[in-house]
Amino acid sequence: QSVLTQPPSVSGTPGQRVTISCTGSSSNIGAGYDVKWFQQVPGTAPKLLIYAYSSRPSGVPDRFSGSKSGTSASLAITGLQAEDEADYYCQSYDSSLSTWVFGGGTKLTVL
Amino acid sequence: QVQLVESGGGVVQPGRSLRLSCAASGFSFSSDGMHWVRQAPGKGLEWVAVISYDGGNKYYADSVKGRFTISRDNSKNTLYLQMNSLRAEDTAVYFCAKELFDWGQGTLVTVSS
Repeated sequence: QSVLTQPPSVSGTPGQRVTISCTGSSSNIGAGYDVKWFQQVPGTAPKLLIYAYSSRPSGVPDRFSGSKSGTSASLAITGLQAEDEADYYCQSYDSSLSTWVFGGGTKLTVL
Repeated sequence: QVQLVESGGGVVQPGRSLRLSCAASGFSFSSDGMHWVRQAPGKGLEWVAVISYDGGNKYYADSVKGRFTISRDNSKNTLYLQMNSLRAEDTAVYFCAKELFDWGQGTLVTVSS
């Protein structure tokens, strides 16, 4: 059972907008700790998409955006493309556990 | 550019030990905290351990505390993970990561008799 809860799967058609939620608690996201989002194509290393809730590293398209509200964070992908099909993970720090934590991951399928 | 290359993975029997290495280049290694993250076959990402830039602070996941030791040699730009008393559930691809921003390609550890 992950400390950060994500939906197991989401899907969308090319060009559509999809969102992936990451629900935490007052000891992680709600406490103001940084939230990162990663994209992972199976068999490869995770790639950082978003850090500090909504900032993008250079090279990440602005189709990817992040937000935070209360004890939850969200990743939005607009203009969905076939190449976006991958697993997505949120990550934060939990002060109760004193550990870094990941969400369980969400598989995005582009129909 | 940042490059992280893990090595040391392989097949090991339960109860035995293994040491992973992560060779870093392309950045000031001695300035950044470093993490180990693992991924069991078909499963999600699991944070394992972190070490501060100077090695003075180390933190571990409960699942590995007391069995794994993270360390670094800033003179060699290398991160290590000493894994003792290995269990079948430690079977995973192990990634090293610079502040969780940049990641290596991973090295597979299989614990099996």
